[in-house]
Amino acid sequence: DTGVSQDPRHKITKRGQNVTFRCDPISEHNRLYWYRQTLGQGPEFLTYFQNEAQLEKSRLLSDRFSAERPKGSFSTLEIQRTEQGDSAMYLCASRSLRGSGNTIYFGEGSWLTVV
Amino acid sequence: ELKVEQNPLFLSMQEGKNYTIYCNYSTTSDRLYWYRQDPGKSLESLFVLLSNGAVKQEGRLMASLDTKARLSTLHITAAVHDLSATYFCAVDMYSGYALNFGKGTSLLVTP
Repeated sequence: DTGVSQDPRHKITKRGQNVTFRCDPISEHNRLYWYRQTLGQGPEFLTYFQNEAQLEKSRLLSDRFSAERPKGSFSTLEIQRTEQGDSAMYLCASRSLRGSGNTIYFGEGSWLTVV
Repeated sequence: ELKVEQNPLFLSMQEGKNYTIYCNYSTTSDRLYWYRQDPGKSLESLFVLLSNGAVKQEGRLMASLDTKARLSTLHITAAVHDLSATYFCAVDMYSGYALNFGKGTSLLVTP
C-alpha cells in the first residue's frame, strides 16, 4: 500500500498562469477528494469523485477550477488564470467503499504559490 | 450549514500534564474524525468514531464521541514533546460525502 501520492509537491507560478496537480489515490479506493488548506486553517472541501463521476463540488470551486478523474483512478485538479488568493496547499484524499471504508487517507499535498 | 468548532485553538502544556481538546458540531452527523498535522505536512488519521459513546485510545491519546451533545473530546494523558502538532476534528455529514474540518488546535508541549 503506497499511500496517496500527489505531484508536484511544490509549484510557484506567476499570476494568470494555469497550473495542474495530479493525485494518485490508494489502489482500488473508489472515492477521491480534493481539499484546499491555507495557513492556520483547517482543510476546506473542494470536490469529490466516486470512481470517475464527480458527485459534488463546493461553492469554493470557482469556474477557474476544474477536476477530472477520467478512468476512475488518478485525478487532476487544474486552476486556470491563477490569482494570488489561490496560494494554498491542495490536498488529495481517498477512501474505500469496501468493508468499513471509514478511514480517509490524505496525500502529502501540493503547495501552490502564486506570485 | 454544518459548523465544527474546536477549543482551545492554541494550547501550551507542560510535559507530563493532562489536557482535553473539545470539538463541537452543529448538526446530526454520521462519523467524527480526528487527525494530526505536523508543520508543513499532510494529515495523519488518528481516530474514527462511528457511534454514540464510542471511545478509542492510542498511546497517550483517547477520543470519545457523544452524538446527543454533538461533542467529541480528545484527551491527552501525560503529554510528551512528540505530541506537539495541530489536531483537527472533522465531521462527515453524509456517508462518504465530505469532511468538514474545525480550525484545529495547535498544541505545544514544553519541558
